[in-house]
Amino acid sequence: KNEVEQSPQNLTAQEGEFITINCSYSVGISALHWLQQHPGGGIVSLFMLSSGKKKHGRLIATINIQEKHSSLHITASHPRDSAVYICAVMKGAQKLVFGQGTRLTINP
Amino acid sequence: DTEVTQTPKHLVMGMTNKKSLKCEQHMGHRAMYWYKQKAKKPPELMFVYSYEKLSINESVPSRFSPECPNSSLLNLHLHALQPEDSALYLCASSQEGTAGNTIYFGEGSWLTVV
Repeated sequence: KNEVEQSPQNLTAQEGEFITINCSYSVGISALHWLQQHPGGGIVSLFMLSSGKKKHGRLIATINIQEKHSSLHITASHPRDSAVYICAVMKGAQKLVFGQGTRLTINP
Repeated sequence: DTEVTQTPKHLVMGMTNKKSLKCEQHMGHRAMYWYKQKAKKPPELMFVYSYEKLSINESVPSRFSPECPNSSLLNLHLHALQPEDSALYLCASSQEGTAGNTIYFGEGSWLTVV
């Protein structure tokens, strides 16, 4: 079993829909990262969470440390949101452990 | 400047070649990373440099040789690679580790070994 599990692995939705991507982890962490990767390869850091909730534009990320669970929400989804979303947790001093990623496709 | 710059963007090399991937950041970050990513898989950590010293080597074959000449530069020297080493190589940096700090990734170098 992976230390970081994401669901769903693939998600297709219509423009405007509310999107939720879930992440569960089995190790103790000090921080959790949500990352976005477009087909070109580059990865963008969306959020770094250690507790509670953060919001940036249409994106919201939450974390429940006790339940070892985090969610990424996208409101009013748009085709440009189509990408792979990756949950990663910090294990040890400097090692990020990545989930398998969620491939999101938003159709117009 | 919140960029991590990687060169080259694309590299094709033969199994007997010697080449290098380069990574540069000017954010004053003291932790720099090399990751390898195969298609449709998450990135895998290869090396971590902290304050210009190698702090983590994830049992990477010696045909990959990292180098950190100064706090802004990170190189990955490649020699006698195998076709299965073809992948996207990502460089990243953060302020003294990823615990509580945002990590910044470069656009990656697409490597093809023929």
